[in-house]
Amino acid sequence: QKEVEQDPGPLSVPEGAIVSLNCTYSNSAFQYFMWYRQYSRKGPELLMYTYSSGNKEDGRFTAQVDKSSKYISLFIRDSQPSDSATYLCATSNRDDKIIFGKGTRLHILP
Amino acid sequence: GAGVSQSPSNKVTEKGKDVELRCDPISGHTALYWYRQSLGQGLEFLIYFQGNSAPDKSGLPSDRFSAERTGGSVSTLTIQRTQQEDSAVYLCASSLVSTVRDEQFFGPGTRLTVL
Repeated sequence: QKEVEQDPGPLSVPEGAIVSLNCTYSNSAFQYFMWYRQYSRKGPELLMYTYSSGNKEDGRFTAQVDKSSKYISLFIRDSQPSDSATYLCATSNRDDKIIFGKGTRLHILP
Repeated sequence: GAGVSQSPSNKVTEKGKDVELRCDPISGHTALYWYRQSLGQGLEFLIYFQGNSAPDKSGLPSDRFSAERTGGSVSTLTIQRTQQEDSAVYLCASSLVSTVRDEQFFGPGTRLTVL
């Protein structure tokens, strides 16, 4: 079993819809959870960072961690065409090494 | 200010040749990471440097891969005797220190194609 599982998509949704992106992880020791966004031909950029369980909101983005089910979610409200990108979940149980999911390709249709 | 830069942006080479990929991290960042991103795969950790400490090489896939970081700044990833399965995007990232609480800033990557 991979340490972090993520559906690669692609996921296509109409503009303005709520987008839900998800990952599962296997190691209950993971404490740090991140979402990165990667535009085509660019490096990933950190979008959201959470520690342990709970929700974190930043503008149109909400990150959610459920440690009991080892489930990580990213919600995007009022999705825009500029949100079209690959979204990578990532996690770590240590202070230095991050384990990434394969990424989900998201297309927001105008 | 300048972000992480990588060169070349694209590299096409023949199987069996050696290649060198360069990364210029953000000035003042003590931690530097190399990742590999293959088609349909996530970011695969290769190696990381933290200050003057011995690098963590645990992600290097074979002894054909090596990396160095000179003067705590620029890093070079070298792949010897390249194979077709080495074709991927090689990404470099740097952070102020090597904890997950510090954001890793990624460069645009070097797209390596081995024919």
